[in-house]
Amino acid sequence: AQKITQTQPGMFVQEKEAVTLDCTYDTSDPSYGLFWYKQPSSGEMIFLIYQGSYDQQNATEGRYSLNFQKARKSANLVISASQLGDSAMYFCAMRLNAGGTSYGKLTFGQGTILTVHP
Amino acid sequence: NAGVTQTPKFRVLKTGQSMTLLCAQDMNHEYMYWYRQDPGMGLRLIHYSVGEGTTAKGEVPDGYNVSRLKKQNFLLGLESAAPSQTSVYFCASSYGTWSYEQYFGPGTRLTVT
Repeated sequence: AQKITQTQPGMFVQEKEAVTLDCTYDTSDPSYGLFWYKQPSSGEMIFLIYQGSYDQQNATEGRYSLNFQKARKSANLVISASQLGDSAMYFCAMRLNAGGTSYGKLTFGQGTILTVHP
Repeated sequence: NAGVTQTPKFRVLKTGQSMTLLCAQDMNHEYMYWYRQDPGMGLRLIHYSVGEGTTAKGEVPDGYNVSRLKKQNFLLGLESAAPSQTSVYFCASSYGTWSYEQYFGPGTRLTVT
């Protein structure tokens, strides 16, 4: 069965600095997708970035980038130039493709609370 | 487009009561999902549906039932609520297996006393 692990319950960063949130995963399926979601204190789930297992380059979306190391089964989120509004819970999630039979189901990690200090 | 909406936003139940959570999406998505979020555990899949009239069990289905009579709606039912079902419930939808993104609703905070 697939598993996602986020080992950092909480992280602190100074405004304008970069921060890396760790995510490791475990699956034997060669085809999968990795996601990061942000959950601010208001509670909604905001999609940030996606990386496919066959993608040759690391995904980037504005200040967000995904450091994908397939051999190490890690998919760390890097936030550059942190802002106060980045303070939130961050979830890593995985979707197996399983030949199309996984039906898009997501498996989530436990989350990391990021606090950005001014 | 409203995206994914959930009704109600908050609810308090007594043990043994029943209720239905409604999820609606206006994006013509085939797939819909119900997750629950508990502190320290991330989101876990309760049930999902890959099309109108179809439903399937997820990781934590016990104590819940679902129905998808219309493509745009996905209902989650609690027949006899228990304190262990106190949680935040999220509905999500997507185009299909290969979709880059699942679109989430705002969540329903349920407390069972």
